Amino acid sequence: QKEVEQDPGPLSVPEGAIVSLNCTYSNSAFQYFMWYRQYSRKGPELLMYTYSSGNKEDGRFTAQVDKSSKYISLFIRDSQPSDSATYLCAPSGGYQKVTFGTGTKLQVIP
Amino acid sequence: DGGITQSPKYLFRKEGQNVTLSCEQNLNHDAMYWYRQDPGQGLRLIYYSQIVNDFQKGDIAEGYSVSREKKESFPLTVTSAQKNPTAFYLCASSAEKVQGASNQPQHFGDGTRLSIL
Repeated sequence: QKEVEQDPGPLSVPEGAIVSLNCTYSNSAFQYFMWYRQYSRKGPELLMYTYSSGNKEDGRFTAQVDKSSKYISLFIRDSQPSDSATYLCAPSGGYQKVTFGTGTKLQVIP
Repeated sequence: DGGITQSPKYLFRKEGQNVTLSCEQNLNHDAMYWYRQDPGQGLRLIYYSQIVNDFQKGDIAEGYSVSREKKESFPLTVTSAQKNPTAFYLCASSAEKVQGASNQPQHFGDGTRLSIL
C-alpha cells in the first residue's frame, strides 16, 4: 500500500463547477498537510498549508483534513479554466519526510 | 522577487557523460532538496541538505551527487552511473531549521527536463 494515495484522474468539469480533490494516507504521524498546483512543464506551486484536522479557506480554495480517517480534501469553488492543472497532496510532519501523492489532473472546460 | 531558479530548462546528455543541474535560491532558506518526477510516479527524493557542507541521500540517490558549498546553491550532478536519467528534475527549498524535521512547506523551482541523446 502506498503511503499516500491519490486518484490520477483526469477529472473534467464544466467552468463554474465545485471541484473536490482527495487523498488518503496511511502514516498517522503526519501533522502538516499541503496542496500544490502544478501546471504543465512547471514546478509545483504551494496552494494550501494546514496543520492537523479541520478546514482552511483561501479565496475559492478550501482544504479539509480528517486525521481520524486519514483523508484530506481540496475543494475549488467556481472553477475556472485557469485552474486546469495537476494537484498534488503532500502530508508531512515531525520527523516524517514530505510524501507527495502522484497528483490528480484537473481540466476545467469553458 | 524571492524564489528558486533552476537552469537550464532543458538538458541533453550523451552516453557516458556527467551533467550538472543548477539550483539557486534567494529565500534565505536553510534546507534544499532535489526531486525526480516521472509520469505516474509522483516526486521522488534524490538528495537533501539542511545546512551548508552537509547533505543526506534520499530514496533514489544512486547515480547522483550533490554539493552544498553555499547556502544559496545546491547543484545536482547526474552521473553516467544513472542508467535511466530521462526525467523532470525539481529543486525545492524550505525554512526548516530542525535537523531531520519536515514541518515547513517546500517551495519549488520550475524544473529542468533532462533527456538522453
